[in-house]
Amino acid sequence: DQQVKQNSPSLSVQEGRISILNCDYTNSMFDYFLWYKKYPAEGPTFLISISSIKDKNEDGRFTVFLNKSAKHLSLHIVPSQPGDSAVYFCAALGGSQGGSEKLVFGKGTKLTVNP
Amino acid sequence: DTEVTQTPKHLVMGMTNKKSLKCEQHMGHRAMYWYKQKAKKPPELMFVYSYEKLSINESVPSRFSPECPNSSLLNLHLHALQPEDSALYLCASSHFVGGNEQFFGPGTRLTVL
Repeated sequence: DQQVKQNSPSLSVQEGRISILNCDYTNSMFDYFLWYKKYPAEGPTFLISISSIKDKNEDGRFTVFLNKSAKHLSLHIVPSQPGDSAVYFCAALGGSQGGSEKLVFGKGTKLTVNP
Repeated sequence: DTEVTQTPKHLVMGMTNKKSLKCEQHMGHRAMYWYKQKAKKPPELMFVYSYEKLSINESVPSRFSPECPNSSLLNLHLHALQPEDSALYLCASSHFVGGNEQFFGPGTRLTVL
């Protein structure tokens, strides 16, 4: 049962353009969402998060949008840079009993930014 | 200090060996986590410690034994592992459980022969 879904396994964009990574979730009790970036053979690096009481959070080139009614969130990177090339994981906290302790990850989207 | 450190970076062990993975953070976080990540898969939660007490065990086999000696340290003791246990083992910490960011260490790449 995939509670956090990233339906695009890969995305390729041109340097300077916008990268949009999408994430859908099924559990309406999730109340905190996070994006992580991961390079091969390294641990995930926290990028940006959003609470369910907000619909947008911005940090430099990174903006996360949350649409609770659609159970959908997206990460916008603008402008995209070659160094942004990595696997991006969407993750959620909350859910059922004890769920606030469990970070549920999507399967990841591999972003490639071409120079 | 905003880092989570893990040692060793790489570990190769036989199925009869006993080894330990170590994780350390000095951010004052009171929640610490062990995750397992196989290639091209998302991290899977193994254990959660909250205030040095085991809070969640995700039905992990007993050949994996976690230990939290103090609020800064988290160990994972390994014994009689199987080749399918080969993976990247990630440690993470957060201020407290729930509703906040988890910060990950670089991981230990474990190979079981």
